[in-house]
Amino acid sequence: AQTVTQSQPEMSVQEAETVTLSCTYDTSESDYYLFWYKQPPSRQMILVIRQEAYKQQNATENRFSVNFQKAAKSFSLKISDSQLGDAAMYFCAYKENTGTASKLTFGTGTRLQVTL
Amino acid sequence: DAGITQSPRHKVTETGTPVTLRCHQTENHRYMYWYRQDPGHGLRLIHYSYGVKDTDKGEVSDGYSVSRSKTEDFLLTLESATSSQTSVYFCAISPGDNEQFFGPGTRLTVL
Repeated sequence: AQTVTQSQPEMSVQEAETVTLSCTYDTSESDYYLFWYKQPPSRQMILVIRQEAYKQQNATENRFSVNFQKAAKSFSLKISDSQLGDAAMYFCAYKENTGTASKLTFGTGTRLQVTL
Repeated sequence: DAGITQSPRHKVTETGTPVTLRCHQTENHRYMYWYRQDPGHGLRLIHYSYGVKDTDKGEVSDGYSVSRSKTEDFLLTLESATSSQTSVYFCAISPGDNEQFFGPGTRLTVL
């Protein structure tokens, strides 16, 4: 079974600085997706960024980028120029590319604090 | 934002009573999912649907049933609620085999 591990329960970053959240996963599959979701205090789960395993290029969405290391099964999220609104729980998630419905496997989350 | 609503948003009920949570989408997406979120576990899949009347179990399906009679609605039923089912429940939709978009969640408390 696939597992996703987020080893940092909490992180803190100063406003305007850069922070990296770690995620590792375990799978025997070669074709899959990886995601980062943000959950602010409102509880809404918001998709931040996605990465297809077959793409070597790291995904980027504005201030958010990933470092995808397929051989190491590592998928870290870098947040640049951190803002107060970035404070939230961040979940890493894995999904097999089955061509049909299949579950997301989530990590346990990293709580990010943003300080002035 | 994806057009997903969940009802009710909050519910308190007693052990042994039946509870139905509703997920409604306006996106006409084929796939719909129910997850629960508990401290220390992230989100875990309860059931999912790949079309009208087509559903399957997830990893934590015991004590739950689902139904999907229309594309836009996916119902989650707790036949006899237990305290271990106190959780936050999220519905998600997906247009295909890729990212999932989540509803606002329902906080359920079973006393």
